[in-house]
Amino acid sequence: KAGVTQTPRYLIKTRGQQVTLSCSPISGHRSVSWYQQTPGQGLQFLFEYFSETQRNKGNFPGRFSGRQFSNSRSEMNVSTLELGDSALYLCASSLALAGWITDTQYFGPGTRLTVL
Amino acid sequence: TQLLEQSPQFLSIQEGENLTVYCNSSSVFSSLQWYRQEPGEGPVLLVTVVTGGEVKKLKRLTFQFGDARKDSSLHITAAQPGDTGLYLCAGRNNFNKFYFGSGTKLNVKP
Repeated sequence: KAGVTQTPRYLIKTRGQQVTLSCSPISGHRSVSWYQQTPGQGLQFLFEYFSETQRNKGNFPGRFSGRQFSNSRSEMNVSTLELGDSALYLCASSLALAGWITDTQYFGPGTRLTVL
Repeated sequence: TQLLEQSPQFLSIQEGENLTVYCNSSSVFSSLQWYRQEPGEGPVLLVTVVTGGEVKKLKRLTFQFGDARKDSSLHITAAQPGDTGLYLCAGRNNFNKFYFGSGTKLNVKP
């Protein structure tokens, strides 16, 4: 079974631009979560999508948005980029079955975004 | 401030030594997970603990969930260079939200 894939792997943008990152979950997984990882703040939860609906949201400004398509693929968008948005953006998928306490998240390799 | 505090932040030891990483919080979690992340990769799940007081063993790794489900520890026996990486704990709350610790960077020297 193919793992979680993220594209692109690396991206360089300038301040004020916008960016769209893509995540393809493991086949059959219905939940996709996005995280931002930085050396200073560690791994922080952005949002989770389940059946095309945002189910959970972290404490990030409205410049960060996402969506999920009917095939469970997800995109994340960041508008008006700031220098502080430079980070590794990770996507994780899970089956999200009932009894979710032991539901396992599988992470993709991430997209390294650099904002100049 | 982090909801989950991990310690130590950095650990550099010789092959064969034992080590313990701690993950502490004032919040109660429905489950707690430990991940290992290598450079250029996403985190990989090592274990999930659910019950207070639970102990799980994976070869040389022993994981413990605190009785009150607020803290956890990871103990590695006879560390090997292949254990090198970033170890992350993550607590899941009742709303299915994950909170990650700041991580422990482990370097095992041959």
